Amino acid sequence: AQSVAQPEDQVNVAEGNPLTVKCTYSVSGNPYLFWYVQYPNRGLQFLLKYITGDNLVKGSYGFEAEFNKSQTSFHLKKPSALVSDSALYFCAVRDELDSNYQLIWGAGTKLIIKP
Amino acid sequence: NAGVTQTPKFQVLKTGQSMTLQCAQDMNHEYMSWYRQDPGMGLRLIHYSVGAGITDQGEVPNGYNVSRSTTEDFPLRLLSAAPSQTSVYFCASSHGTGQQETQYFGPGTRLLVL
Repeated sequence: AQSVAQPEDQVNVAEGNPLTVKCTYSVSGNPYLFWYVQYPNRGLQFLLKYITGDNLVKGSYGFEAEFNKSQTSFHLKKPSALVSDSALYFCAVRDELDSNYQLIWGAGTKLIIKP
Repeated sequence: NAGVTQTPKFQVLKTGQSMTLQCAQDMNHEYMSWYRQDPGMGLRLIHYSVGAGITDQGEVPNGYNVSRSTTEDFPLRLLSAAPSQTSVYFCASSHGTGQQETQYFGPGTRLLVL
């Protein structure tokens, strides 16, 4: 069965420091992996995705994520956090073999960037 | 493009009432879906559609119906509202698979069932 885990409910980082939001997954076939961000009272916005190719994926707002097949992880990173990065972050996965495009979502990680 | 639009933004219902949440997209996306978001549970898929005339159940379909008569519209119907359906509902659409696969979300409908 497909699953996604975001092991941290909340991550606190000081402004200017690097940040990491963790995500691990389990699928039968090859994974399609996604990160989305949700600001308060807003819908989700796409940040980045890994489909195939380079393991390091660069996305919007200076975020990047590294696909690690051996550790089944897709952690979200940013070299220098901004207060405006404070939001709820969701990791999602789809099995390449799933023809119905169903994404499995993590529970979300609240990122708090302190000035 | 307006992207994905949802109406209403907020709704209060009494137990047993029915209503329809509207969703429309103007990007000619084949795939559309409805999610509910509850605290600490992430997004859960209610129903989805891979094209006009085709719908299927997701993880939590009970109490909800959908139809897809056009590519643009994908309404979600609550048949007889229950307090357990109090949630925030998001509609999403996407085009293609693989490299083109990205879901675009509407702003959400906040539903309170008393």
